[in-house]
Amino acid sequence: GAVVSQHPSWVICKSGTSVKIECRSLDFQATTMFWYRQFPKQSLMLMATSNEGSKATYEQGVEKDKFLINHASLTLSTLTVTSAHPEDSSFYICSHRGHINNEQFFGPGTRLTVL
Amino acid sequence: DAKTTQPPSMDCAEGRAANLPCNHSTISGNEYVYWYRQIHSQGPQYIIHGLKNNETNEMASLIITEDRKSSTLILPHATLRDTAVYYCIVGTGANAGKSTFGDGTTLTVKP
Repeated sequence: GAVVSQHPSWVICKSGTSVKIECRSLDFQATTMFWYRQFPKQSLMLMATSNEGSKATYEQGVEKDKFLINHASLTLSTLTVTSAHPEDSSFYICSHRGHINNEQFFGPGTRLTVL
Repeated sequence: DAKTTQPPSMDCAEGRAANLPCNHSTISGNEYVYWYRQIHSQGPQYIIHGLKNNETNEMASLIITEDRKSSTLILPHATLRDTAVYYCIVGTGANAGKSTFGDGTTLTVKP
């Protein structure tokens, strides 16, 4: 299956700082990528759909000005958590879907801890 | 997208078959059934999917009932490394990625 990488795999930051998470599709040109977050012992929650060359589509309740998404190329989408607070601490996961079967290929996730 | 219902947890003995059920009674005719699993602190991994026929790949088998209201994921010879949360999701191809992840089934394979 397709390979998706994320960087960094984990990050610790101080409250009020911004953190950028990169999601790369290593062997696939993804016009659409998806960003999820997962709190401890909970399921994945879709945050937004990242569209190459256009604005991202955010799910209800997700602040677009706080979670900035850029999808500048077919292989890279970035999520920037602006002015991070402890409640933003979570596991952030990106994915894209395959061309033929529409199955999703997920990245390994980025664990964000905001102190 | 249709909702799914899965048991919260299951145990399985190593080497035995693990049968994970999923109920999707409100599935639409054009919606597929996808299964993923998530090992602790990792991103989810695609396992298998199907529309109405049973499917098999190198990881698992998927049995879908004739009325498509439920399905079963079968891991024929479970190993300790199969311990994970298994998610059953239904959705159309066009909406792949926007389908809702439920709570899944935590499968624990025991020696």
